[in-house]
Amino acid sequence: QKEVEQNSGPLSVPEGAIASLNCTYSDRGSQSFFWYRQYSGKSPELIMFIYSNGDKEDGRFTAQLNKASQYVSLLIRDSQPSDSATYLCAARPSNSGNTGKLIFGQGTTLQVKP
Amino acid sequence: DGGITQSPKYLFRKEGQNVTLSCEQNLNHDAMYWYRQDPGQGLRLIYYSQIVNDFQKGDIAEGYSVSREKKESFPLTVTSAQKNPTAFYLCASRRAPPPLDTEAFFGQGTRLTVV
Repeated sequence: QKEVEQNSGPLSVPEGAIASLNCTYSDRGSQSFFWYRQYSGKSPELIMFIYSNGDKEDGRFTAQLNKASQYVSLLIRDSQPSDSATYLCAARPSNSGNTGKLIFGQGTTLQVKP
Repeated sequence: DGGITQSPKYLFRKEGQNVTLSCEQNLNHDAMYWYRQDPGQGLRLIYYSQIVNDFQKGDIAEGYSVSREKKESFPLTVTSAQKNPTAFYLCASRRAPPPLDTEAFFGQGTRLTVV
C-alpha cells in the first residue's frame, strides 16, 4: 500500500464546475498535509496546507481533512482552464521530526474543459 | 529577486558518467532538499540538509551524493552507480523547520536523460 495515494486521473470537469481531488494516507500519525499544483514540465507550487480536522478555505480552494478516515481532499470552485494541471497531495510523516520531510502521492491530473 | 536556481535545465548523461546538478538559493534558508520525479509519479526524497556541513539520506539515496559547504548551495551528483537516472530532479528549500511549517520553495528543476 502506498503511503499517500491519489487517483492519477485524468479528472475532467467543465469550466465553472467544482473539481474534487481526493487523497488517502496510511500513516495515522501524520499531522500536516499539503496540496501542490504542478503544470507540465514545471516545479510544484504550494496551494494550501491543513493541520486540523475540517475545512480550510482560501479563495476558490477548500482543503478538507478527516483524520479518522485518513482522508484529505481539495475542492476547486468555479474551475478555470488555467486550473488544468497535476495536483500533488503530500503528508508529513509522524517520524519526520523537524526534518520537513514530505511523502508525496503520485498526483491527480485535472483537465478543465472550456 | 530571491529564489532557488537550478542548472542546467536539461542535462544529458552518457552511461557510466557522473554528473552534478546545481542548486543555489538566496533566500537565506537553512534547510534544502533534493527530490526525484518520474513520469506519472510523485516526488521522492533523495537527500536533505538542515544545516551547513550536514546532510541526511532520504528514501532513495543510493547512487547519489551531495555536499553542503555553503548555506546557499546544495549540489547533487548522480553517480554511475545510479542505474536508472533519467528523471526530473527538483531542489527545494525551507526557511525554518517544523512545526513552523513554512512553505518549501522549489527550483525550476533539471531534466536528466541518459543517452
